[in-house]
Amino acid sequence: DAEITQSPRHKITETGRQVTLACHQTWNHNNMFWYRQDLGHGLRLIHYSYGVQDTNKGEVSDGYSVSRSNTEDLPLTLESAASSQTSVYFCASRDSSGNTIYFGEGSWLTVV
Amino acid sequence: GDSVTQMEGPVTLSEEAFLTINCTYTATGYPSLFWYVQYPGEGLQLLLKATKADDKGSNKGFEATYRKETTSFHLEKGSVQVSDSAVYFCALSGGGRGSTLGRLYFGRGTQLTVWP
Repeated sequence: DAEITQSPRHKITETGRQVTLACHQTWNHNNMFWYRQDLGHGLRLIHYSYGVQDTNKGEVSDGYSVSRSNTEDLPLTLESAASSQTSVYFCASRDSSGNTIYFGEGSWLTVV
Repeated sequence: GDSVTQMEGPVTLSEEAFLTINCTYTATGYPSLFWYVQYPGEGLQLLLKATKADDKGSNKGFEATYRKETTSFHLEKGSVQVSDSAVYFCALSGGGRGSTLGRLYFGRGTQLTVWP
């Protein structure tokens, strides 16, 4: 079955380190998204991509970057991790009909 | 811009009680509306959706009707179970011009706890 997977599922890192969260989907969806989930805020959009070599900033993009070198992957990089980036991160992709968005299982990141 | 406001929790119910979680939205154009559920330690799962006014989404005993006149999409279930304990998120997508294509705008989530 096609799916969307994230790794690592859990990570603890130190302030100032670079961290990359992987997202891989096997549906061949063009549209992919990264959200972060924080208590009291719901999910907020970090970055998104509509296809290979396309990346766009969401509402909370500061301190994050993404790259899209192929259709299947949209890795999220924290250039210099900060304690404010402790969160749960969700990757998502959107099917061609436009109305169903699939989520990965999440990556729990703690910055100490 | 597009936004979603949902009833804040937590909501605590006894098993077999009736559930309503209110959700209202602001959007230009004609958004699609969703309810997602997140069980403890897991990701988000699509619970139900509606893509046009007066549509009713339903799944696992949950229902929500897309009401354009009241800009609402309230989630209901007639008889909740302990296994329904989770966080529920209302979301919309694709309101119209100016909306980011395909992105979801989420409410803040409502924690539901059902006691036996």
